[in-house]
Amino acid sequence: GQSLEQPSEVTAVEGAIVQINCTYQTSGFYGLSWYQQHDGGAPTFLSYNGLDGLEETGRFSSFLSRSDSYGYLLLQELQMKDSASYFCAVSLNGAGNNRKLIWGLGTSLAVNP
Amino acid sequence: NAGVTQTPKFQVLKTGQSMTLQCAQDMNHNSMYWYRQDPGMGLRLIYYSASEGTTDKGEVPNGYNVSRLNKREFSLRLESAAPSQTSVYFCAGTVGVGPDEQFFGPGTRLTVL
Repeated sequence: GQSLEQPSEVTAVEGAIVQINCTYQTSGFYGLSWYQQHDGGAPTFLSYNGLDGLEETGRFSSFLSRSDSYGYLLLQELQMKDSASYFCAVSLNGAGNNRKLIWGLGTSLAVNP
Repeated sequence: NAGVTQTPKFQVLKTGQSMTLQCAQDMNHNSMYWYRQDPGMGLRLIYYSASEGTTDKGEVPNGYNVSRLNKREFSLRLESAAPSQTSVYFCAGTVGVGPDEQFFGPGTRLTVL
């Protein structure tokens, strides 16, 4: 089967740095994505790693190690508005070029003053 | 551009009733997806369509049918609603062949009594 594991909750203070880890056991791995979802809202795309290494987008960075089946999302200079759920999702090869995402259960991040 | 739109936003059904959830996009997405999200859970793929005229089952297709009417529209039908189908339903699309950067609609909150 396919499985992704990430912590259920993380708490941090404004201005701090937080790392959300994701480990996966899947077949046909293609890449790892991260999404943010605020309460009552829809998921929004944050980043994608197809190759090993670090991808940086502003205050957010994402890392992938394919050999370790592991990735993380790093959030720097935390702001109150970063309080949300963060999901890792693995792209799996489907039939032909049909790829689909398998999602983790999400990490609820609470940023406190 | 409206992006990805979903109708209705809220719906209450009685067990056994049928309904169709509508999704439309004006972002030229090739691939479109239907997910359900239950409280405290990640997203689970119901069906997806890699291109106009094609559909494939995801993780939880039982009790649902889909139709990719044209490139813009991808509908989800519940033929005989059950309380277990109470959930938030999200439609998403992506431009490329891959699924990684998905753009989501605002969701439909469905309650089946």
